[in-house]
Amino acid sequence: QQQVKQSPQSLIVQKGGISIINCAYENTAFDYFPWYQQFPGKGPALLIAIRPDVSEKKEGRFTISFNKSAKQFSLHIMDSQPGDSATYFCAASDMSGAGSYQLTFGKGTKLSVIP
Amino acid sequence: DTAVSQTPKYLVTQMGNDKSIKCEQNLGHDTMYWYKQDSKKFLKIMFSYNNKELIINETVPNRFSPKSPDKAHLNLHINSLELGDSAVYFCASSLFLSTDTQYFGPGTRLTVL
Repeated sequence: QQQVKQSPQSLIVQKGGISIINCAYENTAFDYFPWYQQFPGKGPALLIAIRPDVSEKKEGRFTISFNKSAKQFSLHIMDSQPGDSATYFCAASDMSGAGSYQLTFGKGTKLSVIP
Repeated sequence: DTAVSQTPKYLVTQMGNDKSIKCEQNLGHDTMYWYKQDSKKFLKIMFSYNNKELIINETVPNRFSPKSPDKAHLNLHINSLELGDSAVYFCASSLFLSTDTQYFGPGTRLTVL
């Protein structure tokens, strides 16, 4: 049972364009939503994260939009650059309970930014 | 000053062999994890240890046995390797019950022939 659904599986964007990756979750106990970026041959690294008490968080060119009622969140990459080409994973966890150490990952989106 | 390190980076072995992967973190974290990433890039947690105690044990064949000698180290031993064990294995660490995130190691690519 996949608790975090991520789409699209792959994405090709022109340099300077906006990349949008969407995730939906089922577990209403989730209250921490990080995005990880993974380059080929490397481990995932935290990119940006949000808690559900805000609807948007922006760090540089990266923005998370969060819709609690729809149980959806998305990553927007503005002015996408070839260096942003990587696999992006959304994740979710319940930070309040006994399972607060466990991240549930989406299946990943391979982003290719073409010049 | 690597935060989470794993050895080896690549591991090629024959079916039926036993192998180990080592992980160390120098972040002062008290919780460590093993993840498996398959050929489709799907990341799935296998185990988690907090202060040397097992706290997550997902449905993983008992051929996989984690060992945590101290809270800075978490090793993964795999007995009787099978073709389906081929994957990239990532170690990660974090602070327990904290809003801090998990930090991942560089991964170990295991190929079983």
